[in-house]
Amino acid sequence: DGGITQSPKYLFRKEGQNVTLSCEQNLNHDAMYWYRQDPGQGLRLIYYSQIVNDFQKGDIAEGYSVSREKKESFPLTVTSAQKNPTAFYLCASSSLEVGRYEQYFGPGTRLTVT
Amino acid sequence: GESVGLHLPTLSVQEGDNSIINCAYSNSASDYFIWYKQESGKGPQFIIDIRSNMDKRQGQRVTVLLNKTVKHLSLQIAATQPGDSAVYFCAENNAGNMLTFGGGTRLMVKP
Repeated sequence: DGGITQSPKYLFRKEGQNVTLSCEQNLNHDAMYWYRQDPGQGLRLIYYSQIVNDFQKGDIAEGYSVSREKKESFPLTVTSAQKNPTAFYLCASSSLEVGRYEQYFGPGTRLTVT
Repeated sequence: GESVGLHLPTLSVQEGDNSIINCAYSNSASDYFIWYKQESGKGPQFIIDIRSNMDKRQGQRVTVLLNKTVKHLSLQIAATQPGDSAVYFCAENNAGNMLTFGGGTRLMVKP
């Protein structure tokens, strides 16, 4: 099956610890994205990558880091510098072909930091 | 399940009725629009898209209408079913492959 996977579904961490969220896609998409979702708000872009070994900050990148060592993988690290890390995190991927802008989403990871 | 939005606008409809979900977009230069459906605790799923050179596009039980004059997008769901209960997001393409998402509307279907 082609698709995008995120793991784990639920993640619990103590304050002050870094945590890495996994995102893998086998859609052969060049672009990958990380979004954060909070209750009552839409999706906010954290980071995105359009090519291996390159990525750009989104609207709320502070306290987060990413890497793109392989086309298929785009892990997100939530660092201890992120002031309010508890949220639902969504990974997405898309083609870069002109006019093919739809993004495909993974199932999400619910992170709870106490 | 997880709640994706405690304070979202909510549309409540009777099973079998038609639903209309509205979205105002911000960028008059956007040339592509998407509707997503998000069930509780899950990632958004693509429903239907429309390009700016069209006013209407139909899918299975869904129709998207685009009014570029007032920058308004709507999603119509025919014969709404309990399985349609979810949060619906519109998204506009604002630069290349990047999307900007709306805040979402919760659709509740009463049996």
